Amino acid sequence: DAGVIQSPRHEVTEMGQEVTLRCKPISGHNSLFWYRQTMMRGLELLIYFNNNVPIDDSGMPEDRFSAKMPNASFSTLKIQPSEPRDSAVYFCASSLSSGGAGEQFFGPGTRLTVL
Amino acid sequence: GENVEQHPSTLSVQEGDSAVIKCTYSDSASNYFPWYKQELGKRPQLIIDIRSNVGEKKDQRIAVTLNKTAKHFSLHITETQPEDSAVYFCAASPRMDSSYKLIFGSGTRLLVRP
Repeated sequence: DAGVIQSPRHEVTEMGQEVTLRCKPISGHNSLFWYRQTMMRGLELLIYFNNNVPIDDSGMPEDRFSAKMPNASFSTLKIQPSEPRDSAVYFCASSLSSGGAGEQFFGPGTRLTVL
Repeated sequence: GENVEQHPSTLSVQEGDSAVIKCTYSDSASNYFPWYKQELGKRPQLIIDIRSNVGEKKDQRIAVTLNKTAKHFSLHITETQPEDSAVYFCAASPRMDSSYKLIFGSGTRLLVRP
């Protein structure tokens, strides 16, 4: 298996533009997580899905952020409009969750820079 | 909600010495405690985990201990090597409605001096 796949790996955009980050989880995994990592705030959980259904989006910073998981093999995180403070590394992770939390496998991350 | 505190934030040790990183959690019902290692510019990767029905777990030079009464758990690395240099994150899984999420600590930057 190729592991969790994220695209793009790097994104540079200007303030106000729409940004879409993409994630393909490991085949067979039923939980998907979106994290944001910055020096100041560490590793923050934004939202997670179980069986394609959003379970907890309490970490989504504001209405500018939205996430979808239309099927078991694809998820997107969208920021519209983007702001400089959104600059961070965004990780997607997946796991096979059964009866509780388990190992999460992280993707390589998307480094987002908003100018 | 669950809160995980981790310390120290930075740790410098001489190669061959031991390193200990400690975490505390607030939700007494949390039942899963993994540790992740993140090398510079890379993704976090699981190195060891422990569940609440176990007090200690070892894997070669790495061990994790859990004290449920005190609500803290620790990572122990013995015979440290330069390749152990990385940021280490602890995490806890709050047990609420079969939640699968992890709450991460703020990380410890470990430097192993050759």
